[in-house]
Amino acid sequence: GENVEQHPSTLSVQEGDSAVIKCTYSDSASNYFPWYKQELGKRPQLIIDIRSNVGEKKDQRIAVTLNKTAKHFSLHITETQPEDSAVYFCAAFLGGKLIFGQGTELSVKP
Amino acid sequence: GAGVSQTPSNKVTEKGKYVELRCDPISGHTALYWYRQSLGQGPEFLIYFQGTGAADDSGLPNDRFFAVRPEGSVSTLKIQRTERGDSAVYLCASSSTPYTGELFFGEGSRLTVL
Repeated sequence: GENVEQHPSTLSVQEGDSAVIKCTYSDSASNYFPWYKQELGKRPQLIIDIRSNVGEKKDQRIAVTLNKTAKHFSLHITETQPEDSAVYFCAAFLGGKLIFGQGTELSVKP
Repeated sequence: GAGVSQTPSNKVTEKGKYVELRCDPISGHTALYWYRQSLGQGPEFLIYFQGTGAADDSGLPNDRFFAVRPEGSVSTLKIQRTERGDSAVYLCASSSTPYTGELFFGEGSRLTVL
């Protein structure tokens, strides 16, 4: 089955700096890679996603890159703001189900 | 409905009791998923349905866990003889199809087993 590893587990940045979270997956057949943001006590919310036929996707301050050969993908947040503070999860889609990474707790200090 | 609805939002029970958690997916979504999320962890896959049938139940931890979706809409996750280790947030998600991976999550049911 699929296995997703996510790093780092915690990340602290100053407001305005960039944040990068990295994930690797094990099964090359995975074809869809979403990122979710989860605030304390709330549901995971999809913030950006990428399919395996695309190498990069950007939406305002957030971007995702995918390297299929190396089986890794990354989330990039630029010009971070305090409201970006949350737990971020990557996931890989295989065989009809999403497999999640362990999460990264991002803290943006004003 | 407008989003995925889960009830109850909180459930406290005693070890050994039986618990049912309910999920009402987004109207028209054929795929429905159950995940379990422990504190500080990512959501852990339990089971998913396509229509009324369980397409993949490989994540159910043991035979105390069972889920149904008799009419292809609302689903119930059933846990027998609860144990303290079952304490977690149980998340339900739905998708318009099981082929895209675009899941929409509910707020979850927080289960505490004393």
